[in-house]
Amino acid sequence: SAVISQKPSRDICQRGTSLTIQCQVDSQVTMMFWYRQQPGQSLTLIATANQGSEATYESGFVIDKFPISRPNLTFSTLTVSNMSPEDSSIYLCSVFGSAGQETQYFGPGTRLLVL
Amino acid sequence: EDQVTQSPEALRLQEGESSSLNCSYTVSGLRGLFWYRQDPGKGPEFLFTLYSAGEEKEKERLKATLTKKESFLHITAPKPEDSATYLCAVAKNYGQNFVFGPGTRLSVLP
Repeated sequence: SAVISQKPSRDICQRGTSLTIQCQVDSQVTMMFWYRQQPGQSLTLIATANQGSEATYESGFVIDKFPISRPNLTFSTLTVSNMSPEDSSIYLCSVFGSAGQETQYFGPGTRLLVL
Repeated sequence: EDQVTQSPEALRLQEGESSSLNCSYTVSGLRGLFWYRQDPGKGPEFLFTLYSAGEEKEKERLKATLTKKESFLHITAPKPEDSATYLCAVAKNYGQNFVFGPGTRLSVLP
């Protein structure tokens, strides 16, 4: 399995501001995934981040709102831009296990509250 | 459209009272079905992967089974520490994103 850390673990932000969430993995991985989990809801994929190329966004999510960086094979950031209270969620990054493994492993999440 | 549903939405059990959680899926060409446990305020913790109908996996008090249309997570003699939300997810193709179900919130009372 992969060991994943996220920063910050939680934050309270004012509407109109932006927050960048960091995700660090203990091994090199090709794909990293960013999910959102709204209160009481299940996980929804925001985008897939591949190193060396632009992220691929799911329907309903756009790069201007959720820009993603993937500078190397162990690190990625997700920015939540121009936040509104509707952005209050848990944001999770995940990766596949070791090469050839098909199971996704998740970070501890970032709890975001937008006032 | 790929879809995953879970039932019941919430389940309360007495300690030691065995039960099962259901995950039904509609996916053409299932690659794998995954069970996760999620505690409040934390990321999902991987439990099992199932790949083909008839497959079973066990871990302590949990056993996961898979048919062509659904999966069950059986909990035998649960303890209060088994209280969590249990999520299932399906993968259609290798390396592709997962589709998650809404989860079952399990509460085990002492």
